This record gives sequence, structure tokens and C-alpha cells, in this order.
Amino acid sequence: ELKVEQNPLFLSMQEGKNYTIYCNYSTTSDRLYWYRQDPGKSLESLFVLLSNGAVKQEGRLMASLDTKARLSTLHITAAVHDLSATYFCAVRMDSNYQLIWGAGTKLIIKP
Amino acid sequence: GAGVSQSPSNKVTEKGKDVELRCDPISGHTALYWYRQSLGQGLEFLIYFQGNSAPDKSGLPSDRFSAERTGGSVSTLTIQRTQQEDSAVYLCASSVSYNEQFFGPGTRLTVL
Repeated sequence: ELKVEQNPLFLSMQEGKNYTIYCNYSTTSDRLYWYRQDPGKSLESLFVLLSNGAVKQEGRLMASLDTKARLSTLHITAAVHDLSATYFCAVRMDSNYQLIWGAGTKLIIKP
Repeated sequence: GAGVSQSPSNKVTEKGKDVELRCDPISGHTALYWYRQSLGQGLEFLIYFQGNSAPDKSGLPSDRFSAERTGGSVSTLTIQRTQQEDSAVYLCASSVSYNEQFFGPGTRLTVL
């Protein structure tokens, strides 16, 4: 059974600081996703990571994937208040359309 | 519009009533998913449809929940004899094959 664990589940940080959110999964998978959800809103796709060593960056967010360690990280550089949201990772089960979701990391960035 | 749409955006109902939630996926997307999200929680998978294949209903929490997808496009999630624990936001998403899922705005269901 594929399980996905995110940590931390809650993170409060100051603007300008760097931090990393971790996403571990339990069995092989060929595709990992990061999504963002603002309060009261739906989910927005951030990154799709397809292969070992994949790294993608968008603004102050950078996501990476290590399939051997079954680990993905979402790194936040010089955080700004607008990045406050809940971030979810999701992993695709091999040969299956279903995604297994992490519990989400609620990120609060204080001015 | 080009995105996934859902209706209604909000639904308040009395315990024991039936409700229908609608999802219009992005045109051309073959896969359609329903999720449930309780306040402050993650996503709970309910059901997905892929093309003409039999749907994966493994996430439906009880036989009060059912869903159909007509003509490979619009989907309706039906909850019969609603209970207070059914209160949540119901999210629909669609995708092309194994690619990323695009989410609709959700339907907030409140069962009194």
C-alpha cells in the first residue's frame, strides 16, 4: 500500500527565511506532484516531477525528487507573505490513475 | 471557461435529504476524479472515471454515495440520505491520462 507522509504539517516562519517541506512515500512511483491551496480555495498545481534527480523552480519555490530515497522536497527561499498557503504533495501509483495524497503542510509566513 | 467547473458552489441541506453535485471537466480530459475535503484536512479520494473503463469506486465511504459520468464528460456525485458527517467540500478534478489533475472550485456541502 502506497503511503505518503509530509512534514512538517504546520510551519510558521518569518519573511526572508528559507525552509524545506518534505514528502516521503513508501513504494515505487513514477510521478510526484506538488499543489498549493489557499484558504477557502481549490488546489493549484505547482510542479510535476517525473524522474530521479528532477528539479523544478518557480519563483521562490524549488521542488526536487529523489526516487531512490522516495523523497521529494519543496524548498522556499526568502519567504514572502504571499506564499502562505497549504502545500500538498501527491504520488501516482504505478500504472494507476489514482494519486495518493499527503496530509498537507500549512505554511504561515509572518511579516 | 477553460477550467473545471462545479455546481452548486454551496449546498445546505437537511439530514436525510438526497443531494446531487455536478462537475464539468476540462474538454478533452479523459480522467475525472471526485475528492472530499473536511475542514483543515487533506484530500480523501472518492471515485475516478477513465474513458469508457469501469470507474474505480474504492474510495466511496458508503453505499449512500454514488457517481456517474455521462458521455465521458459531465459527472454527478449523488449522496442519498445525507448525514451530518457528510458535511465537507467536495472537489472534482480532471486530467489527460496520467498527467496533472486540474481542480474545480469545489462544492461546500453543509448538512444540518
